[in-house]
Amino acid sequence: GAVVSQHPSRVICKSGTSVKIECRSLDFQATTMFWYRQFPKQSLMLMATSNEGSKATYEQGVEKDKFLINHASLTLSTLTVTSAHPEDSSFYICSARDPGGGIQETQYFGPGTRLLVL
Amino acid sequence: AQTVTQSQPEMSVQEAETVTLSCTYDTSESDYYLFWYKQPPSRQMILVIRQEAYKQQNATENRFSVNFQKAAKSFSLKISDSQLGDAAMYFCAGGVDSNYQLIWGAGTKLIIKP
Repeated sequence: GAVVSQHPSRVICKSGTSVKIECRSLDFQATTMFWYRQFPKQSLMLMATSNEGSKATYEQGVEKDKFLINHASLTLSTLTVTSAHPEDSSFYICSARDPGGGIQETQYFGPGTRLLVL
Repeated sequence: AQTVTQSQPEMSVQEAETVTLSCTYDTSESDYYLFWYKQPPSRQMILVIRQEAYKQQNATENRFSVNFQKAAKSFSLKISDSQLGDAAMYFCAGGVDSNYQLIWGAGTKLIIKP
């Protein structure tokens, strides 16, 4: 149980275009999902917390107009990188909290999306 | 404020031996939760083991066990009978009830020598 999928796994786009990344909880309903960014050989950096049916909460320094998050259902959250630039190239990971899965703070992770902006 | 510290950037162990990865978690909260996650080269984060701070008994999952010393704020991970597939980055993380966010350590790269 507690499987999270993420799509696409890899995307290459031109500078100035927008890219949407989907995160789905496959076998549980996730009221809360998280979006992280991970630079090479570094730890996870939390970008935002996404709650179903409400606006996402962004961490300090993360531009909410650039990284649009939508959590329209209990199984789907999307991250859209708008007007992407080369400095947005990174590994983006989503996670979901399973409220019915024992320790509620446990996060289950998607496989990540590697974004390369040319 | 919460902090998670992993002071070992890299550890290596001979296959079949035992290795211990260190982590300290500092928080003013009395009730919190601690986790160890593994990130292999595929970069998929995998939950290894978790511990509730109020529980006296240390968590175990097959070859993985923790040594949780609450007063010392220590939460170490012991891997017994190390296998080649254990090679990965290991991240320690902690969280409290209020917002479900996790605070992450910097990670320890574990190398398994055949």
